Amino acid sequence: EPEVTQTPSHQVTQMGQEVILRCVPISNHLYFYWYRQILGQKVEFLVSFYNNEISEKSEIFDDQFSVERPDGSNFTLKIRSTKLEDSAMYFCASSEWGADQPQHFGDGTRLSIL
Amino acid sequence: GESVGLHLPTLSVQEGDNSIINCAYSNSASDYFIWYKQESGKGPQFIIDIRSNMDKRQGQRVTVLLNKTVKHLSLQIAATQPGDSAVYFCAETLAAAGNKLTFGGGTRVLVKP
Repeated sequence: EPEVTQTPSHQVTQMGQEVILRCVPISNHLYFYWYRQILGQKVEFLVSFYNNEISEKSEIFDDQFSVERPDGSNFTLKIRSTKLEDSAMYFCASSEWGADQPQHFGDGTRLSIL
Repeated sequence: GESVGLHLPTLSVQEGDNSIINCAYSNSASDYFIWYKQESGKGPQFIIDIRSNMDKRQGQRVTVLLNKTVKHLSLQIAATQPGDSAVYFCAETLAAAGNKLTFGGGTRVLVKP
């Protein structure tokens, strides 16, 4: 069964450094998403992406965050200057279409900011 | 990938019994709902979905019920197995809002042998 893959599984970064989280969505999917889950809290939406554009973003997704689909297979989340509060699990998801389609998630990247 | 909430509600179920997990969703305009299962160290795994024009949908060993009047969603698991032990999340979405999922807080299911 096709799946969403994320790398690395764990990223440790110094505060203030840039970090790039990588995702390979399911190959025939057209919609891509990033979510995060701070330990002990709910999964929170960050951003949705379709046709090389951001469709929707949350308040969390400020100027420090950006997303990119650099080629036909990868989807990346960049945090320019990390803060301690960015420590969380970051999940990538994709769906075949947009509305009324299940989003399929990767196993996440645990980001630890020191 | 675990949701290790100190205040996560827990449902303890005997193996072979049926489980019912409940969820109250927040937005009366939401038009699509999904149940996810999350095992330790993994991402949310799709279980079953339901659209707002339905009130019941069945899958393999699972049934989702939607009550829009009281904004309530439930997941029924038949003949619960040890492999069903996980945290279960409901999620709601609205197509007009970029398909972003809003997740509930989760319920931990523990299956006793």
